[in-house]
Amino acid sequence: RKEVEQDPGPFNVPEGATVAFNCTYSNSASQSFFWYRQDCRKEPKLLMSVYSSGNEDGRFTAQLNRASQYISLLIRDSKLSDSATYLCVVNPVTGNQFYFGTGTSLTVIP
Amino acid sequence: DGGITQSPKYLFRKEGQNVTLSCEQNLNHDAMYWYRQDPGQGLRLIYYSQIVNDFQKGDIAEGYSVSREKKESFPLTVTSAQKNPTAFYLCASSIGAADEKLFFGSGTQLSVL
Repeated sequence: RKEVEQDPGPFNVPEGATVAFNCTYSNSASQSFFWYRQDCRKEPKLLMSVYSSGNEDGRFTAQLNRASQYISLLIRDSKLSDSATYLCVVNPVTGNQFYFGTGTSLTVIP
Repeated sequence: DGGITQSPKYLFRKEGQNVTLSCEQNLNHDAMYWYRQDPGQGLRLIYYSQIVNDFQKGDIAEGYSVSREKKESFPLTVTSAQKNPTAFYLCASSIGAADEKLFFGSGTQLSVL
């Protein structure tokens, strides 16, 4: 079983739409969770950390559900510039490794 | 400005040749990582180092080697034993503590001639 699993998409949504991505993780002891954004042939860049209480940054909301072992990312009022691949990242802390999902591709259509 | 510098941006390898990818950071981070990304796939861990003069194999270490002689440097050598080296290579670093995020270099695209 993979450490982190994501729906690869692609998600094609119109401008202004709301879109949500989920990501499941297998290690119940995992401590740190992140969403990264990656543009084509560029390095991943941190979008937001995910906290137990949930957190919001403008149009982006991240949530953690420890009981079901998943994290989610909600994007409201999608912009063309949101088109990218979104990577779910989990750090179980033991060994200090980071585990990546395969990424979810989002295209926002005019 | 602090950050991670990878070089070169593009690299071509001839068959049977070893090549070395450079990764330097001035963030004073203890932990450094090398990942490989193939088209349409996620990042896979090649090697990581949590402290100077120590490193561990990741999931796909075969055909690769690293060194960590200095805190700021973590070069990756792709040896001739790596039969399918064409990929996008990403170096990253973190403070090394729990709940700390990864910072990435801009990547090296390695192709085989």
